[in-house]
Amino acid sequence: GAGVSQSPSNKVTEKGKDVELRCDPISGHTALYWYRQSLGQGLEFLIYFQGNSAPDKSGLPSDRFSAERTGGSVSTLTIQRTQQEDSAVYLCASSFQSGNTGELFFGEGSRLTVL
Amino acid sequence: AQTVTQSQPEMSVQEAETVTLSCTYDTSENNYYLFWYKQPPSRQMILVIRQEAYKQQNATENRFSVNFQKAAKSFSLKISDSQLGDTAMYFCAFMKSSLPYSTLTFGKGTMLLVSP
Repeated sequence: GAGVSQSPSNKVTEKGKDVELRCDPISGHTALYWYRQSLGQGLEFLIYFQGNSAPDKSGLPSDRFSAERTGGSVSTLTIQRTQQEDSAVYLCASSFQSGNTGELFFGEGSRLTVL
Repeated sequence: AQTVTQSQPEMSVQEAETVTLSCTYDTSENNYYLFWYKQPPSRQMILVIRQEAYKQQNATENRFSVNFQKAAKSFSLKISDSQLGDTAMYFCAFMKSSLPYSTLTFGKGTMLLVSP
């Protein structure tokens, strides 16, 4: 597809279960971002990938969160032992290159609900 | 660290009227970029307008324009001739212009409702 694709669009899970969220960026985009959007809290940066460089994991809230990007394309965000406070919309975005344009192309997000 | 503040959680405007959304930010950087992103209900977030801090001229994109006051660290968005399709959450965002990369810092958003 032409845009950033995220799956699943909705995920309901029980507390303590692991979840995986997938992001397929726009073809040719080397930069990939994960953000978390909670109600009334804006967008919280989680992690950033740029090409083959080591990712910037500075935004991950705990060691239950991890992400990988295979082959410089598809990325998976994994949340282990989910907690109710993990409930949010997880947004993925990509851009053509790192640095200075600031135009990120966002997916529609994965809404996670932890019961 | 940078912070972005949007003090208006919600705003309403009637079709064809003009509305201004406020944004202030705090940074010690001299070179940076500012953005307004729009997130319509149940749709993807898209870039509305972008401003480079080194430019004194305010950016404009059709009905959208900004009032950038660098000394006051203020970056407001004006929407002229509001349309029903402008109903959305609007996010102000900041990015340092430093290499090798930068991430965006977002405000908490302003929900704009345009009514007939």
